Order: sequence, then structure tokens, then C-alpha cells
Amino acid sequence: DAGVIQSPRHEVTEMGQEVTLRCKPISGHDYLFWYRQTMMRGLELLIYFNNNVPIDDSGMPEDRFSAKMPNASFSTLKIQPSEPRDSAVYFCASSSGTGRPNEQFFGPGTRLTVL
Amino acid sequence: GENVGLHLPTLSVQEGDNSIINCAYSNSASDYFIWYKQESGKGPQFIIDIRSNMDKRQGQRVTVLLNKTVKHLSLQIAATQPGDSAVYFCAENTGGATNKLIFGTGTLLAVQP
Repeated sequence: DAGVIQSPRHEVTEMGQEVTLRCKPISGHDYLFWYRQTMMRGLELLIYFNNNVPIDDSGMPEDRFSAKMPNASFSTLKIQPSEPRDSAVYFCASSSGTGRPNEQFFGPGTRLTVL
Repeated sequence: GENVGLHLPTLSVQEGDNSIINCAYSNSASDYFIWYKQESGKGPQFIIDIRSNMDKRQGQRVTVLLNKTVKHLSLQIAATQPGDSAVYFCAENTGGATNKLIFGTGTLLAVQP
């Protein structure tokens, strides 16, 4: 299995621009998580989905952030408009609801820089 | 402006020594715990997990100990190697129907050759 796939790996954009981050979870996993990692705040859960349905979005910082999961193999995290304080590494993770239900497999991350 | 970030606790050990990384968790209802390893430029990688009905679990060169009385978790790495150098995170699942993990701030393990 290729593991969790994220794109792009690096994104540099200017303040005010729209940014879209993409994630392909591991096939067969029914949970998908979006995290943000910064030096200031560590690793924070933004939102997670179960069977493509958003379950908990309490970590989404504000209305500029939105996430979708149109099908079991694809999710997006969108920031519009982006701000310099959004600069961080964004991770997507997936897990299965069976076996070890809470072991999450992380992707390589997208490093976002907003100028 | 000044870049103020998290102060990561750092554990520096000699190659071949045993390492012990500690973690205090917050929720007495948490029933599942995981240790992750994060190398520079990569995503967190699963190391070992433990459920609250256990006190100890062993893997290859790693052991996790759980003390529910004081809400403390530790990761022991035997014969530490340079490749073990990374940031280590503990994470807890607070039980119930949620599948969320709450991550600690991490500990930087630096292995000296």
C-alpha cells in the first residue's frame, strides 16, 4: 500500500489567495483526519470524517477553513483567504474502524507558507 | 517579530544506552494510548500502543508502561541507536464513541554516537 498521499508537498502563496490541500487515505480506511502542526501550538486536530461524513470540526480555527470528503478516497482542506498565520505543516491521517481502531496512519504533510 | 515556539523537552542519550521518555496525560477516562515517532520532515509514525486494561506492552526494542493512578505513560527504548533520534509524541483517546487522538507536545530524543 502506498500509504496516505498528500499533495502538494510544499505550497508557497501570498496572503489573500485560496489554498487547497489534498489527501488520499489508505484504501479501506473509514476515518480521515486533518491536523495542523506549528512550533507555537504543536499538533492540532482540525477536523475528522467517518465514512465521508464530518464528525468533529471543533478544531477548525475559523470560517476561512473548510474541508470536504466527496468520496472514500479523497479529501480536501481549503483556506480562503489565506493569511500568514496559517503557515504550518498540514497532515492528513487515516485509520480503520476495525482491529486497532485508533491507530492513525499519517501522510508526509504539506508545508504551507503564506507570505 | 520574535519567534516564540513550544519548548520541546529534550533527552540526550549515548548510543547503546536505554532511553525513557515520559508523558503525563490529562483525562482519567482515556482508554487508549499511542506513541508516535516523528523524524524531521516526515509525518508521525506509529511505534506502539496500549489499552487502559494493561500496564505494560512490549514491542521490538520498545516498551510502553501505563500508570493510570497518576495518569502517566512512558516509552522505553532499549539500546538506543542514532536512527532513534526524533521527536516522540504520546497521544490519548478519551474513550466513548470518539476516534480522536489528543497529542502531547512531544519530546526530542537526541542520540549521541
